Amino acid sequence: SQQGEEDPQALSIQEGENATMNCSYKTSINNLQWYRQNSGRGLVHLILIRSNEREKHSGRLRVTLDTSKKSSSLLITASRAADTASYFCATVQGGSEKLVFGKGTKLTVNP
Amino acid sequence: NAGVTQTPKFRVLKTGQSMTLLCAQDMNHEYMYWYRQDPGMGLRLIHYSVGEGTTAKGEVPDGYNVSRLKKQNFLLGLESAAPSQTSVYFCASSDASYSGETQYFGPGTRLLVL
Repeated sequence: SQQGEEDPQALSIQEGENATMNCSYKTSINNLQWYRQNSGRGLVHLILIRSNEREKHSGRLRVTLDTSKKSSSLLITASRAADTASYFCATVQGGSEKLVFGKGTKLTVNP
Repeated sequence: NAGVTQTPKFRVLKTGQSMTLLCAQDMNHEYMYWYRQDPGMGLRLIHYSVGEGTTAKGEVPDGYNVSRLKKQNFLLGLESAAPSQTSVYFCASSDASYSGETQYFGPGTRLLVL
C-alpha cells in the first residue's frame, strides 16, 4: 500500500514560474526522498531529507518536511521545459528496509 | 560506470510462457530491488535482496521469483506469465538500506503479456 500521496496529481505551468508539489504520509519515517521520472525512463533521485531536518536545498529545488503534519513539499523555482516529468515522493518507515512510493505528480512546463 | 542496466528493454509474451529479467549493477551495492509500475499506481515493490544469496518478498510478490547468486546481478523470473503482469519493471540498487539510502534505478523493461 502507498505510504506517500502526492498532491496535485497533475500540474501545468509556464516556463519561469515556480512549481510546488506536496506529499503526505501516514506513519513515522526515517527519511523522505523525492525522485523524478522523465517519460519512458527510470527514476532519478533528486533529494533526501531526514526526519530531523526541516528544509533542504539543491540547486533550484527546495524541500521542506513537517513531521508534525506528516507532510513534505517540493518547490522547483524558475521552472524550465526540461523539468517536465513525474515527481514521486518516497518514504522509509522506521525499522524498514524498503522505500514506499507515492503515485506521483505529473508536471508539465509549457515553453 | 554503467550504473544499473536491465535486459531486455521490451518483451512480448503469451499467457503461460516464462521469462527472466536480468538486472546488473556495477556500483558494488548490497541492496537490490525489483518494482513494477502500472498507470496510476506508482511503483510497487515485488522482491528485494539485502545481499548476495538473500531474497525477500515485497508488496506484490505473487507470480514472481527472484535470485541473487552474484552480488552484481538480480534476476526476476515469471514462471507462467499472466496478462495482469503486463507492466513496466524497474530494478534498483542502493548502498545500504537501514536508513533508506538513495536508490539508483535502471531504465526499465516493458513487458506485454497477451
